[in-house]
Amino acid sequence: SAVISQKPSRDICQRGTSLTIQCQVDSQVTMMFWYRQQPGQSLTLIATANQGSEATYESGFVIDKFPISRPNLTFSTLTVSNMSPEDSSIYLCSVGGWVVGYTFGSGTRLTVV
Amino acid sequence: SQQGEEDPQALSIQEGENATMNCSYKTSINNLQWYRQNSGRGLVHLILIRSNEREKHSGRLRVTLDTSKKSSSLLITASRAADTASYFCATDRGGGADGLTFGKGTHLIIQP
Repeated sequence: SAVISQKPSRDICQRGTSLTIQCQVDSQVTMMFWYRQQPGQSLTLIATANQGSEATYESGFVIDKFPISRPNLTFSTLTVSNMSPEDSSIYLCSVGGWVVGYTFGSGTRLTVV
Repeated sequence: SQQGEEDPQALSIQEGENATMNCSYKTSINNLQWYRQNSGRGLVHLILIRSNEREKHSGRLRVTLDTSKKSSSLLITASRAADTASYFCATDRGGGADGLTFGKGTHLIIQP
């Protein structure tokens, strides 16, 4: 299965600023997924990123708040923009498919103060 | 809406005992997967069971699936301290859409 390198692993940010999270995969993949895990909660899919097209966002998530880039088949970034304390969460990227299962990055623990 | 609901939300047992976690879901699925998360880090894929399978084993893990009841269970036998983690069930989103819908998770604590 694919190996994902996600960074940063954690960050503490001031409200109103933005943070960009990077995920690098060791093989080419068609789709990459971004999830949010709020404190003590489960994971929620933010968006699906395909190379060469705009990301597809789930209900409740918008591009202005969570812009995603997918410049090639092994790399993607998620930016959390204009942060507020409510954005404090763990953000995870993932690759795979429903047939074989998914691999996840190690997560980015974001704290907004 | 929340697809999966794990039960119990928290479970504490003695090392060596068996741990059973349950998951229910609402819509039809192609498969159901279980993941482990240690200390709020990344998720590790444990096992995938397809909708036409009823039971699957992997090492000390046993998963069952009852599509008529829309439920699944994860059994960890002979638990170890290293099994302490949060366990999530997840289902595909149906209609060919990729990505997962996760349950709320069970936090398992193995007492040494």
